[in-house]
Amino acid sequence: DTAVSQTPKYLVTQMGNDKSIKCEQNLGHDTMYWYKQDSKKFLKIMFSYNNKELIINETVPNRFSPKSPDKAHLNLHINSLELGDSAVYFCASSPPQGRGEAFFGQGTRLTVV
Amino acid sequence: KNEVEQSPQNLTAQEGEFITINCSYSVGISALHWLQQHPGGGIVSLFMLSSGKKKHGRLIATINIQEKHSSLHITASHPRDSAVYICAGLPSGSARQLTFGSGTQLTVLP
Repeated sequence: DTAVSQTPKYLVTQMGNDKSIKCEQNLGHDTMYWYKQDSKKFLKIMFSYNNKELIINETVPNRFSPKSPDKAHLNLHINSLELGDSAVYFCASSPPQGRGEAFFGQGTRLTVV
Repeated sequence: KNEVEQSPQNLTAQEGEFITINCSYSVGISALHWLQQHPGGGIVSLFMLSSGKKKHGRLIATINIQEKHSSLHITASHPRDSAVYICAGLPSGSARQLTFGSGTQLTVLP
């Protein structure tokens, strides 16, 4: 059973499109995250939700909007995709306030053409 | 300057060698994570530690809070250990999100 699953694994789309990446965790964790990994493999936090409530919103374009319908799901919606959005996006979950190991999804490689 | 620095950036070793990857951080942290990212892209948590030392199989992680330094050791390295190893600090205080190092690309040759 996959602990944190995100779909799709690969996403190729044209500039200007709107797309969503879904994430689900079955670990019972209260906190979920979205990270962006750039071409240099550097991971950076984008958003963090605790029990469906946004607690961290780093400086990302407002074209990126997270949605948490329940504490097991944190989806990432991206409007008006740009070439610079191409990256690998990782979802993760952990116990509250980082009190425990983080578990990561397998990543979604987004390519904007 | 990144708050979490790793060294080396790239490391090539022969199978069987003892490997050390270092991580230093400039902020107070409550815990430090070591992650492994396989060539396929998936990220796996190896350790989370806030003091002392942890061991799992051939992997050992240590942390020295006073010196703000952690090391990841791999004994009897094997080609399947080839991956990117990332350390991440969880800052003390209210901003409770991981701050990542830039990663160490390890290649173990047969």
